[in-house]
Amino acid sequence: GAGVSQSPRYKVAKRGQDVALRCDPISGHVSLFWYQQALGQGPEFLTYFQNEAQLDKSGLPSDRFFAERPEGSVSTLKIQRTQQEDSAVYLCASSLSRGSNQPQHFGDGTRLSIL
Amino acid sequence: AQTVTQSQPEMSVQEAETVTLSCTYDTSESNYYLFWYKQPPSRQMILVIRQEAYKQQNATENRFSVNFQKAAKSFSLKISDSQLGDTAMYFCAFMSLKAAGNKLTFGGGTRVLVKP
Repeated sequence: GAGVSQSPRYKVAKRGQDVALRCDPISGHVSLFWYQQALGQGPEFLTYFQNEAQLDKSGLPSDRFFAERPEGSVSTLKIQRTQQEDSAVYLCASSLSRGSNQPQHFGDGTRLSIL
Repeated sequence: AQTVTQSQPEMSVQEAETVTLSCTYDTSESNYYLFWYKQPPSRQMILVIRQEAYKQQNATENRFSVNFQKAAKSFSLKISDSQLGDTAMYFCAFMSLKAAGNKLTFGGGTRVLVKP
């Protein structure tokens, strides 16, 4: 596709359920990022992949959060045993390479609501 | 760790007028990038403008320009000839060139409302 695609656009889950959020980056983009955006706040970094390698997961808030990108393309962010504080918009971004002159292209995000 | 602060939660401006959004940041690094992103209700973050810290000349992109004051660690965005389509959240962001993957650190955002 022309841009970064995220699915689902909206997800509602009950507290304690597991959820999986998908990100399709722009074809050929090496770098992939996940951010969490709480209501009324700026996005916060969660994790970063270069191809299939997860090089930085310092922003993951707990061990309930897990991300993967097994073939260096599509990425999935999984949240286990969801809690109300996990409610947020989850944004995915990709860039062509690690280079500092490569802008990050963002998807429309997945709005996760935990009841 | 770097921090980015946007002190104006909301700004309103009349169509065709000019509005300036403020941003300050804290870092011990000497080389980095700064960005302004626009986020309309559709939620997609759109890059508005970027500035390389080692360049003294302020960046401009059509109606958007920045005032980069490196010593003061200030990076303001000026929107000239405001249009209704400029209504959105605006986020200032910092990119370290030392971190793996060049992750972005965002400020809390400023909501801009352009009035007809």
